[in-house]
Amino acid sequence: KAGVTQTPRYLIKTRGQQVTLSCSPISGHRSVSWYQQTPGQGLQFLFEYFSETQRNKGNFPGRFSGRQFSNSRSEMNVSTLELGDSALYLCASSWTTGAQGEQFFGPGTRLTVL
Amino acid sequence: KQEVTQIPAALSVPEGENLVLNCSFTDSAIYNLQWFRQDPGKGLTSLLLIQSSQREQTSGRLNASLDKSSGRSTLYIAASQPGDSATYLCAVRPETSGSRLTFGEGTQLTVNP
Repeated sequence: KAGVTQTPRYLIKTRGQQVTLSCSPISGHRSVSWYQQTPGQGLQFLFEYFSETQRNKGNFPGRFSGRQFSNSRSEMNVSTLELGDSALYLCASSWTTGAQGEQFFGPGTRLTVL
Repeated sequence: KQEVTQIPAALSVPEGENLVLNCSFTDSAIYNLQWFRQDPGKGLTSLLLIQSSQREQTSGRLNASLDKSSGRSTLYIAASQPGDSATYLCAVRPETSGSRLTFGEGTQLTVNP
């Protein structure tokens, strides 16, 4: 069974631009969560989607948004990029939002904002 | 607010040693705890998942324990190898947060040949 895939793997953008990252969960998984990882802040939760509905949202500005499609694939969008948005963005999937759901992570998208 | 702490922040050991990584959390109302491994610049690899009703889980040379009431977990690595060198992250899933995980800062492990 294929793991969680994320595209693109690397991105370089300039301040003020916007970016869209994609995540394909493990087949059969319906929950997708996004995390931002930086050296200073560690792993920070962005949001979680289940069955195309946002179930949970972290403490990030409205420039960060996401969505989930009917096939469970998810995208996140960051508008008006800032230098501080440079980070590794990780996506995780699980088959349920229930207590038993083990989370599996993708390889991440490395975003660099210049 | 749930906080997760991992000690030590970094650890360097000779090959073959048995070692213990520690994780503590402030709120015992959790569904489960997961240990992950992260190689530099890579994603997270799930090592072990312990449900709140369990005391320990084992996979190969890894053994993780959970004491939910005291807010502690340990990851035991037996007979360490250079290939074990990585950052080890502990994450808890609070009961009130859906699939959201709260992570510790990690322990950076170096196993020297």
